[in-house]
Amino acid sequence: NAGVTQTPKFQVLKTGQSMTLQCAQDMNHNSMYWYRQDPGMGLRLIYYSASEGTTDKGEVPNGYNVSRLNKREFSLRLESAAPSQTSVYFCASRSLRGADTQYFGPGTRLTVL
Amino acid sequence: AQSVTQPDIHITVSEGASLELRCNYSYGATPYLFWYVQSPGQGLQLLLKYFSGDTLVQGIKGFEAEFKRSQSSFNLRKPSVHWSDAAEYFCAVGSTSGTYKYIFGTGTRLKVLA
Repeated sequence: NAGVTQTPKFQVLKTGQSMTLQCAQDMNHNSMYWYRQDPGMGLRLIYYSASEGTTDKGEVPNGYNVSRLNKREFSLRLESAAPSQTSVYFCASRSLRGADTQYFGPGTRLTVL
Repeated sequence: AQSVTQPDIHITVSEGASLELRCNYSYGATPYLFWYVQSPGQGLQLLLKYFSGDTLVQGIKGFEAEFKRSQSSFNLRKPSVHWSDAAEYFCAVGSTSGTYKYIFGTGTRLKVLA
């Protein structure tokens, strides 16, 4: 049981390049989330998917798109990377049943030059 | 609007000393409340959570937190800090309906002196 996995762990992009961050969970959770973490700002929600087939914007969605590919996978895409998107990105998942707890992946450290 | 405030950006304590990290929230009803810990280069690990019932909540690694409705606070405590507790700590508020989104505080970085 791997929990929440994210790939890649590190990535360097040039301004204008695109990339997709991958996230998968094996806990059969319904809800999945993408956050970014910046110094002094805590974690801010980019997008979330309350259940398979639905996605919604969070606090800072501009410059990002998401795809809930199936129940396990939730990807985050940067179409045209900007230096302001340099950050650490975390994926999380949550079950609808029982304890309302989000479980986090190890993060992807992205640098945009 | 929902918000979470962690007023202390950095805290330094000596090993063996007691610890209290502050968290204040703004929410229309009684929210779900969480404390997470993040070690350097790692993801977030849940320490404890409050949903309802007993306002003193026990968590992992010897941590506890007390929900005080009148003060809109959910402070994290540990009676005796260990060097391995050095990390960043995040308080979070969770929605009790609908989207189940979290709002995180900006974090408190704990340094432990030997």
